[in-house]
Amino acid sequence: DADVTQTPRNRITKTGKRIMLECSQTKGHDRMYWYRQDPGLGLRLIYYSFDVKDINKGEISDGYSVSRQAQAKFSLSLESAIPNQTALYFCATSGDRDNSPLHFGNGTRLTVT
Amino acid sequence: AQSVAQPEDQVNVAEGNPLTVKCTYSVSGNPYLFWYVQYPNRGLQFLLKYITGDNLVKGSYGFEAEFNKSQTSFHLKKPSALVSDSALYFCAVRDGGATNKLIFGTGTLLAVQP
Repeated sequence: DADVTQTPRNRITKTGKRIMLECSQTKGHDRMYWYRQDPGLGLRLIYYSFDVKDINKGEISDGYSVSRQAQAKFSLSLESAIPNQTALYFCATSGDRDNSPLHFGNGTRLTVT
Repeated sequence: AQSVAQPEDQVNVAEGNPLTVKCTYSVSGNPYLFWYVQYPNRGLQFLLKYITGDNLVKGSYGFEAEFNKSQTSFHLKKPSALVSDSALYFCAVRDGGATNKLIFGTGTLLAVQP
């Protein structure tokens, strides 16, 4: 979905390094999310934000932090990367209703060696 | 607790045959149910959703899903499969009465053989 852009698409980093994944959207949505995808585990929610001043932890927030710089931008940071954070990371947005579908970016494949 | 299960890791079907991808859920309130599809190297794409009303929901690419409250199921169906339907399919549920969190199933890989 070109309306949600994630950078970089691929990243290889070493254990202990700080890394930031960026997400920007042109859909005008207030709600933004970061998910992690692992084979056999589906998608798990890391953090979500319902507006610029609102940040909430998801089910697996340990080891991650986020920043909502503007309505359109939501970045995810790994302060000190570890190998079990190797995964596919997705940013998503949605409308304000709880029944609004999510719109996903194309993902960032992160490898921590 | 809110949960969603996709009991099949993979579904194999011949092109032209009907397909079903299964999903069951557990919520405390009324469910909002979703199906998404993921093609290789892409993010998830929304297919369809059930909020309330008619139990048969129609979505993108000829897919439909049937909500069954008594069986707590929301199976994805298509009358005639295409090779291009081969992808990873995710069911998701949100408890409409309580939490704002959307819970995803583990995904089902659909393989359509020519």
